[in-house]
This record gives sequence, C-alpha cells and structure tokens, in this order.
Amino acid sequence: GAGVSQSPSNKVTEKGKDVELRCDPISGHTALYWYRQSLGQGLEFLIYFQGNSAPDKSGLPSDRFSAERTGGSVSTLTIQRTQQEDSAVYLCASSLDRTNTGELFFGEGSRLTVL
Amino acid sequence: AQSVAQPEDQVNVAEGNPLTVKCTYSVSGNPYLFWYVQYPNRGLQFLLKYITGDNLVKGSYGFEAEFNKSQTSFHLKKPSALVSDSALYFCAVRAGNNRKLIWGLGTSLAVNP
Repeated sequence: GAGVSQSPSNKVTEKGKDVELRCDPISGHTALYWYRQSLGQGLEFLIYFQGNSAPDKSGLPSDRFSAERTGGSVSTLTIQRTQQEDSAVYLCASSLDRTNTGELFFGEGSRLTVL
Repeated sequence: AQSVAQPEDQVNVAEGNPLTVKCTYSVSGNPYLFWYVQYPNRGLQFLLKYITGDNLVKGSYGFEAEFNKSQTSFHLKKPSALVSDSALYFCAVRAGNNRKLIWGLGTSLAVNP
C-alpha cells in the first residue's frame, strides 16, 4: 500500500480480555517499530524488528505484551489480559533505511480503550 | 545516556509571526536529529532531519531547523506561522549505530488567527 496501515483504528475492550493490533508496513521496508502514546505523553518505544534479525523487545512493559512479524512484513502486537493502564494509542512505523539515518513512516495508530 | 528535551509544553504564536520550537539533546557520538509533526487524530509525519553537512536544514511545509553542536540544540523554526501549523511537534535523536530513536515529550504549537 501507499502508507503504513494499522487496524483496528479503535478498539474498546473489557479488562482481562486479549487484543491484537495489526500493522501492515510500506512494502519493502525492512524495519518496523511499535510505539505507545498515552494521552499527553510522548512516544514510548515497545519493540523493533529489522529484517531477519532478532527483534529488540527491550521496550515491552510486561510479559503480557508480545509482537510478531511474519514473513518480514505484517506485524501483530498482542496484549494479553488487558489492564486499564494499557489504554493508549499504539503506533506502528516502518523504515527502509538500514543506516539509521532515514525517517520513519507512521500509521495513524490503533486507539485502545480498556474499560 | 541519550536524552532529548523539549523545554516548552506549549508554544503560542500569532499567525504571520515567526515561530520557534526548541529542542536540546544529549548523546554520545554524532547525533542524527529529526523533527516530526502530529496533527490531531493523525499519525506522526516526518518534517526534516540533520545527519551531516550544512547546519541549517530545510524541510516540509516551510519549516527549517538549525543544528548547533556547541549548544547541543536543534530548534525548529518557520518565518511566518500559519493556523494550519497548529499541531504537536516531536524532536528525536539517534546516535551513530544505535537503532533506537529517543523522543522528546512533544510541544503543542497553537497558531492564533
């Protein structure tokens, strides 16, 4: 597609349920990032995928959070047993660049509300 | 440790006036500096970056930023603000081979008609 696509755009769930958020990066982009943005806050790094390398999971806040990237393209962020503090906008970004000088292309985010 | 500071939570300017959104950073090694903009209910969009070379970088929508190594700053500027520039602006830095971008907390820019 022309840009990074995220789904769902909005998700309301009950505390304790599992949710899956999907990111479809720009075709050919080898790097993929997940960030979390809470109301009035900056961007919190969650996880980074680069090609076939092992992902950098250092930003995942707890073991309830996990992410996969299948076939080097689509990524799914899974949050198990959701808590109210998980409510946020989850942003996905992709990048072509391997030299770390390139810009990130962001999706419009998935807004998660945990009741 | 790497860090980015955006000292102003909010900046207010009148339409037509020049605007500045401040950013300072702390990294080990040569910094790669970026500005992104987030319009309401939208994802972030890249504005401009400094990698090397000319300290004055020009970007999208008439924005520019000046890299100042001695002051470790990368302030975003525009000579004449538009109401449509009202948005949230993020500064980010990456050092050398470090893959992670370190983000500032954002500055909300309000341009008043």
